[in-house]
Amino acid sequence: DQQVKQNSPSLSVQEGRISILNCDYTNSMFDYFLWYKKYPAEGPTFLISISSIKDKNEDGRFTVFLNKSAKHLSLHIVPSQPGDSAVYFCAASAFSTGGGNKLTFGTGTQLKVEL
Amino acid sequence: DVKVTQSSRYLVKRTGEKVFLECVQDMDHENMFWYRQDPGLGLRLIYFSYDVKMKEKGDIPEGYSVSREKKERFSLILESASTNQTSMYLCASGGTGGYGYTFGSGTRLTVV
Repeated sequence: DQQVKQNSPSLSVQEGRISILNCDYTNSMFDYFLWYKKYPAEGPTFLISISSIKDKNEDGRFTVFLNKSAKHLSLHIVPSQPGDSAVYFCAASAFSTGGGNKLTFGTGTQLKVEL
Repeated sequence: DVKVTQSSRYLVKRTGEKVFLECVQDMDHENMFWYRQDPGLGLRLIYFSYDVKMKEKGDIPEGYSVSREKKERFSLILESASTNQTSMYLCASGGTGGYGYTFGSGTRLTVV
């Protein structure tokens, strides 16, 4: 079963406007939520995270919002820039039964920022 | 900066071959992971390791095994490669809650 879902496979936004990427999850045991950005032929790079006990975290142009009651989080990028065009993955962290800590990823949203 | 190095960027192997994908990290992290990325399916966890010689199955371990003899090195093994294992393979290390993982650049494996 898909514990982390990104229902929009793609999003197109004009330069300077806000980009909003959404993510839903089902497992209430997740303790951190993270966003990664991925360019083609490269590994994902960490963008921003939020603890499950918070509802907002901001870092420059990037803000992540968490709504625990709705099991929903979103990433806001303001203002959007052409260099932001990439695939964005939502991920959630939880401890495994064996003692390790693992990330479960969504399917990704391709963001295209147009001039 | 944490560096995670995957030994090959591109590999082409034949069906039935035994394939080794190597990953090395330089930051003394306990946790290391292997994911595969496929279009429309996101990143799916194959195996992970939270200590030397310790391993745990991820969501799609069938057809794969792993080896972690030293802390800095985590190997993914395809015992008998099949065409449905053609994919981008990503290694990661770290994993301390909110700081996430550092990923390698990936290995694009094609099985023919």
